[in-house]
Amino acid sequence: DQQVKQNSPSLSVQEGRISILNCDYTNSMFDYFLWYKKYPAEGPTFLISISSIKDKNEDGRFTVFLNKSAKHLSLHIVPSQPGDSAVYFCAAVSASKIIFGSGTRLSIRP
Amino acid sequence: IAGITQAPTSQILAAGRRMTLRCTQDMRHNAMYWYRQDLGLGLRLIHYSNTAGTTGKGEVPDGYSVSRANTDDFPLTLASAVPSQTSVYFCASSVDPGAGNNEQFFGPGTRLTVL
Repeated sequence: DQQVKQNSPSLSVQEGRISILNCDYTNSMFDYFLWYKKYPAEGPTFLISISSIKDKNEDGRFTVFLNKSAKHLSLHIVPSQPGDSAVYFCAAVSASKIIFGSGTRLSIRP
Repeated sequence: IAGITQAPTSQILAAGRRMTLRCTQDMRHNAMYWYRQDLGLGLRLIHYSNTAGTTGKGEVPDGYSVSRANTDDFPLTLASAVPSQTSVYFCASSVDPGAGNNEQFFGPGTRLTVL
């Protein structure tokens, strides 16, 4: 049973608009949630994280929202740029163990 | 060396052969990890090491072994490769598995094909 789920395998967004990537989890004991970005033929790179005691964290164009009651988090990218086209992995940390979602491929179209 | 490196970049291997994937980091991170990435399944943890001299099993350890003789190196060995081990393998490291968000730094990956 997947503890971290990204139900949308792909998403297409027009350049300049907002991209919203979603992630659901089942374990209420997770301490942190992270987003990683992955380009083809490269390893994932850390993008942004949020502690379970917060509901929002912002870093430039990237904002992560956490809804603990719904066990849901989302990554907002605004405005979306062509370089944002990549696979985004949601991840959750509990007792120093990290679990990744299956990823969402974001495509930014002109 | 800068960051975390993996070798080889890609490999085609006959089933039944032994193969070692190499991983080296120069960041003096305590923890290291091996993941495999398969379509629709994301990144799954194979083995990990919280500090030199210790290792542990992840979500999908069967058919793989690791060692951590020193801080920098964390090789992954397939003793007798099978086609289901065809995947992209990522090595990663983090400063301390118990510290904060346990941000991990990833290598560029090894694409392994077992025929």
